[in-house]
Formats: sequence, structure tokens, C-alpha cells
Amino acid sequence: GIQVEQSPPDLILQEGANSTLRCNFSDSVNNLQWFHQNPWGQLINLFYIPSGTKQNGRLSATTVATERYSLLYISSSQTTDSGVYFCALRDDKIIFGKGTRLHILP
Amino acid sequence: DAGVTQSPTHLIKTRGQHVTLRCSPISGHKSVSWYQQVLGQGPQFIFQYYEKEERGRGNFPDRFSARQFPNYSSELNVNALLLGDSALYLCASSLGVRAGGELFFGEGSRLTVL
Repeated sequence: GIQVEQSPPDLILQEGANSTLRCNFSDSVNNLQWFHQNPWGQLINLFYIPSGTKQNGRLSATTVATERYSLLYISSSQTTDSGVYFCALRDDKIIFGKGTRLHILP
Repeated sequence: DAGVTQSPTHLIKTRGQHVTLRCSPISGHKSVSWYQQVLGQGPQFIFQYYEKEERGRGNFPDRFSARQFPNYSSELNVNALLLGDSALYLCASSLGVRAGGELFFGEGSRLTVL
């Protein structure tokens, strides 16, 4: 089955800093999504991005399907960006990475 | 429009008991999938249903079962509960399977087994 690896596992940044989160996967995919899990456990959709680049405010994402990776960029971090970020891929199963835990210091 | 709704939000059971969790998908979505998330880990895929048929199964014991109803809502059943079943159980809906569009998650059901 598809293997999904996220890096880094943990990231601590000062408010205002920029960050790049990476998701590597082992096989070609039809679907790739990025989620933010808030402290209450809710998974918030960030991007549905099987390929290409998308931007939404301070967040953007790029998936290079031929090279089997996706990147999530967060610019000008705010304390509300803290939480765990997951990428997930889909074939007959939906496979999540182990996540990147982001902590933004005020 | 209502998002994915799950019930109950919290529940406490004892070892050996049975639990039923419920999920209502977004209107128009025909696929529902279930996940278990234990503390500190990513969600683990349990089942995926589409048009009332099982379309994928994760590595969970037979104590876990699910079904999807004609209105596309779904139930997850867990028998003979173990302490290790304590987790957040998440449900997601989508238009279809595989390339079938974006997954949307409910707020989850938090199960504690004593």
C-alpha cells in the first residue's frame, strides 16, 4: 500500500515566521489533501491538491505528483496556526501521514 | 448547509461492552469512511462505504463492523470493547471513492473504555 511520510515531526517557531511542511508518498495518487487538526480534534480542510499549486491567504500548497511529494507553506505564522498538520492520500484506503506538530510562540 | 455530523460526541463504556457510533454525511455525498485516532497519532483508516457497499477496509479486527444505509448515513459498531479501543473516532464523507473528491470530516466521537 501507499506509504506517507511527513517532515519535520515537530516544529517550533516564533510568531511571524514562515514554515514549510513536507509530505512524501510512495506511489502515484489521485487525491491528496492537507488538514489542520485543532486542539479539539476537528480536522479542518486546507487544500485538496492532487497536483499543481494553490493558495489561500497566508497558506499555499504545491504537489509534484511525478516526484511524489507535496509541500505546505505557511507565511507570517500566527499563534492560531498551532496544531497538527496532516497530509492524506487515497486509493482503496485513505492513508494519513503521522503529522507535523506546529507550535507558534507569541 | 449542514456538514458531517457524528453522534454521540463523548461516551464512556466498560471493557466487554458494545458501542455504536453514527455519522450523517453532507447532503449529496454518497461515500462515508471511518477512522480511529489514538492520542498522539494520525487517523487510522477503518472502513469506506459507497452506495451501501464496503469499498475498503483497514487493518482492524472483526470486532469492528460498519454499514451504510439507503440515506447514506452510516454506523460503526465495535464489539467486546478493549481498553485500547479508547480513541477519537472520525467519520468523513465525500462524493465518491478513489478520485471521488475531497474528504470532509465530522467533529468525532470520543470513546473512553474503562
